Amino acid sequence: DAGVTQSPTHLIKTRGQHVTLRCSPISGHKSVSWYQQVLGQGPQFIFQYYEKEERGRGNFPDRFSARQFPNYSSELNVNALLLGDSALYLCASSQIRVNTGELFFGEGSRLTVL
Amino acid sequence: GQQLNQSPQSMFIQEGEDVSMNCTSSSIFNTWLWYKQDPGEGPVLLIALYKAGELTSNGRLTAQFGITRKDSFLNISASIPSDVGIYFCAGPSYNNNDMRFGAGTRLTVKP
Repeated sequence: DAGVTQSPTHLIKTRGQHVTLRCSPISGHKSVSWYQQVLGQGPQFIFQYYEKEERGRGNFPDRFSARQFPNYSSELNVNALLLGDSALYLCASSQIRVNTGELFFGEGSRLTVL
Repeated sequence: GQQLNQSPQSMFIQEGEDVSMNCTSSSIFNTWLWYKQDPGEGPVLLIALYKAGELTSNGRLTAQFGITRKDSFLNISASIPSDVGIYFCAGPSYNNNDMRFGAGTRLTVKP
């Protein structure tokens, strides 16, 4: 069975540009969460989507947005990129909405902003 | 609030040695989770703890949920080279919408 898949795996952008990251959850998982992991730190929560609705949002500016599609895949969009947005962006899926159990992570999309 | 503090930040050990790392918080958590992240990969769940005082093993790994619900430790016995990686403790936020992660303990195992 396929795990969580993310694309692209690596990308380089310049300041001010826009980026779209994509995630396909494990089949049967209805919850998708996005995390930002800066080098040397643990993952920081950005968004959670469950059944196509936003269920939680972390402390990130409005430049960050996301959505979940009917097939439960998800996109994370970041506008007006800043140097500080350089990070590994992780997508995680789970079967249920409530995060009291296991999150299954993808390999991440590594974004470099120049 | 609900920050997780991990120690030590990094460890350098010899193959075969036992390892102990811990995680503390000023807030109560109802669930404690330990993840491992290999280079170029996303974190993978190692052990989940759901009850204060609970002691759970997964092969050479043992973790405990502290009685106060404000701490947890992870032990690795007889370390091997593939134990190399970053170990994160994590717990769900008070509203269960997100998972909080510590900054991680980076483990290096010398053959």
